[in-house]
Amino acid sequence: GAVVSQHPSRVICKSGTSVKIECRSLDFQATTMFWYRQFPKQSLMLMATSNEGSKATYEQGVEKDKFLINHASLTLSTLTVTSAHPEDSSFYICSARTGGTDTQYFGPGTRLTVL
Amino acid sequence: GQNIDQPTEMTATEGAIVQINCTYQTSGFNGLFWYQQHAGEAPTFLSYNVLDGLEEKGRFSSFLSRSKGYSYLLLKELQMKDSASYLCAVRPNQAGTALIFGKGTTLSVSS
Repeated sequence: GAVVSQHPSRVICKSGTSVKIECRSLDFQATTMFWYRQFPKQSLMLMATSNEGSKATYEQGVEKDKFLINHASLTLSTLTVTSAHPEDSSFYICSARTGGTDTQYFGPGTRLTVL
Repeated sequence: GQNIDQPTEMTATEGAIVQINCTYQTSGFNGLFWYQQHAGEAPTFLSYNVLDGLEEKGRFSSFLSRSKGYSYLLLKELQMKDSASYLCAVRPNQAGTALIFGKGTTLSVSS
């Protein structure tokens, strides 16, 4: 149980294009999902908290107009990187929380490369 | 501010025992998590502590002392596949809120 999927796993795009990343909880409902970004040899940095049916909460320094988050259902959250630039190249990981111990389970991540 | 410290790198040999320490100073405390992350992959959940003491799960154990702001992850009978980064994470606020991650400890297991 507690499986989280992400799609796509890898994407290469040209500068200026937009990229959508999907995060799905496959066998549980997740009212809250989190989006993280990880640069090489760095820790995971929280970008935003995504709540089903409401606006996402962004961390300081994260541009909400650039990183659009939609959490339309209890099993799906999407992150859209708009007008991507090379500095947005990173490993994007989502997580979804379960009840009980409130553990966060991570998706397999999406490696974004912007040329 | 929020701060989580753990050693950057550790090395050990197959069959040995290794202890990875984590200290934290956070605005609040509502649980500490350990994750394993292989290169290029997402973290996988290892353990969770919210009360003081030791939690054992097979070859992995995790200890917490809230008064000292300290935790450790103990790995026994090391295997080559245990070579990975180990992330210590704290949830400073109430349930359902985000985790703060340390920078991770890269463990290299040699034969």
